[in-house]
Amino acid sequence: QKEVEQNSGPLSVPEGAIASLNCTYSDRGSQSFFWYRQYSGKSPELIMFIYSNGDKEDGRFTAQLNKASQYVSLLIRDSQPSDSATYLCAVIRSRRALTFGSGTRLQVQP
Amino acid sequence: GAVVSQHPSRVICKSGTSVKIECRSLDFQATTMFWYRQFPKQSLMLMATSNEGSKATYEQGVEKDKFLINHASLTLSTLTVTSAHPEDSSFYICSARVLILAGGIYEQYFGPGTRLTVT
Repeated sequence: QKEVEQNSGPLSVPEGAIASLNCTYSDRGSQSFFWYRQYSGKSPELIMFIYSNGDKEDGRFTAQLNKASQYVSLLIRDSQPSDSATYLCAVIRSRRALTFGSGTRLQVQP
Repeated sequence: GAVVSQHPSRVICKSGTSVKIECRSLDFQATTMFWYRQFPKQSLMLMATSNEGSKATYEQGVEKDKFLINHASLTLSTLTVTSAHPEDSSFYICSARVLILAGGIYEQYFGPGTRLTVT
C-alpha cells in the first residue's frame, strides 16, 4: 500500500464546475496535509495546507480533512481552464520529509 | 507565503563537469531544506534532507559523493552535482519548511527548480 494515494486521472470538468480531488494516506501519525499544484515544467506551488479535522477555505479552494478516515480532499469551485494542472497531495509526520502522492491531473474544459 | 529562490534556473553542462545549485529562503530561516529530483512525467523524488550545520541525510539509492549538499547557513543550501553525466539530466527542486505550530506542524515551500541538461 502506498503511503499517499491519489487517482492519477485525468479528471475532466467543465469550466465553472466544482472539481473534487481526493487523497488517502496510510500513516495515522501524519500531522500536516498539503495540496500543491504543479504546472508542466514548473515546481509545485502550495495552494492549501490543513492540519485540523474539518474544512478550510481559501478563495475558490476548500480543503477537507478527516483523520479518522485518513482522507484529505480538495474542492475547487468555479473551475477555470487555468486550474488545469497536476494536483499533488502530500503529508508530513513530525520532522520527516513530505511524502507525496503521485498526483491527479485535472483538465478544465472551456 | 514564504519564498524560496533557486539559482540557476537552467544550466547546460558537458559530461564530466560539476554543477552547483543554490537554494535560498528569502524571508525566513530554514534549519531544514530538502532536495528533490523530478524526471519527465514522474512524481518528485526526495534525494536528501539538508540540515544547517550538520551532514545531509540521503535517501536510499542516492550517491552522497556524487550529490554534495552543504547547508552552511540558515538561509542557504547548495547541491553540487559532481562529474555530471547525461543520466543526471533532470529537474532539481529544493524546498524549505516553516514551523507553524509547536509539535511538528510545518508549512513547506518549493523553489522554482533548476533544469539541468548534461550533454
